[in-house]
Amino acid sequence: QKEVEQNSGPLSVPEGAIASLNCTYSDRGSQSFFWYRQYSGKSPELIMFIYSNGDKEDGRFTAQLNKASQYVSLLIRDSQPSDSATYLCAVRGWGNYQLIWGAGTKLIIKP
Amino acid sequence: EAGVAQSPRYKIIEKRQSVAFWCNPISGHATLYWYQQILGQGPKLLIQFQNNGVVDDSQLPKDRFSAERLKGVDSTLKIQPAKLEDSAVYLCASSSGLAGGGGAYEQYFGPGTRLTVT
Repeated sequence: QKEVEQNSGPLSVPEGAIASLNCTYSDRGSQSFFWYRQYSGKSPELIMFIYSNGDKEDGRFTAQLNKASQYVSLLIRDSQPSDSATYLCAVRGWGNYQLIWGAGTKLIIKP
Repeated sequence: EAGVAQSPRYKIIEKRQSVAFWCNPISGHATLYWYQQILGQGPKLLIQFQNNGVVDDSQLPKDRFSAERLKGVDSTLKIQPAKLEDSAVYLCASSSGLAGGGGAYEQYFGPGTRLTVT
């Protein structure tokens, strides 16, 4: 059973600080890793994806991938109240376009 | 570029009634997914289409759920008869990827349909 695990939270972070969200996965053959943001009552919105070990930066967001340890993380710099949402981690294996989803981490940014 | 379209946005039905949801993917996207999302959980894949063929429907409750994508573009998901536990948000997503290859091929979601079964 392929699994993706996330801490459900809530994770509370002061405005302006760095929010760190983590995700672990069980399938060593996983190839691509995605972070989605989901506001309450809305559908998931892609933030970024990564498929090489190391860091990938996009604006205030940085995804970090460590395949040896089977974890992927998302850092949000200069956190804003508008970043308050549930963050979903999803993982894809080779040759298959299905994503295995975590249950999400609820992030709260406090002004 | 237009996003994934879904309708209706909300639906309330009584148990044992039937309901249908419609999805139109991003133009040119070969792969279409239907997900069920229950509050507090990640999306659960119900069915995956590539063009007009089914790639995976292993988690679709086939005794009550059906889906089709006849011309390889838009798709419908039907529930008949509905049960209380079907109350959820039904999400449609599309991707440009084709099964069997590499690359990220991220999925883009429509706004979803919130179904309440009473």
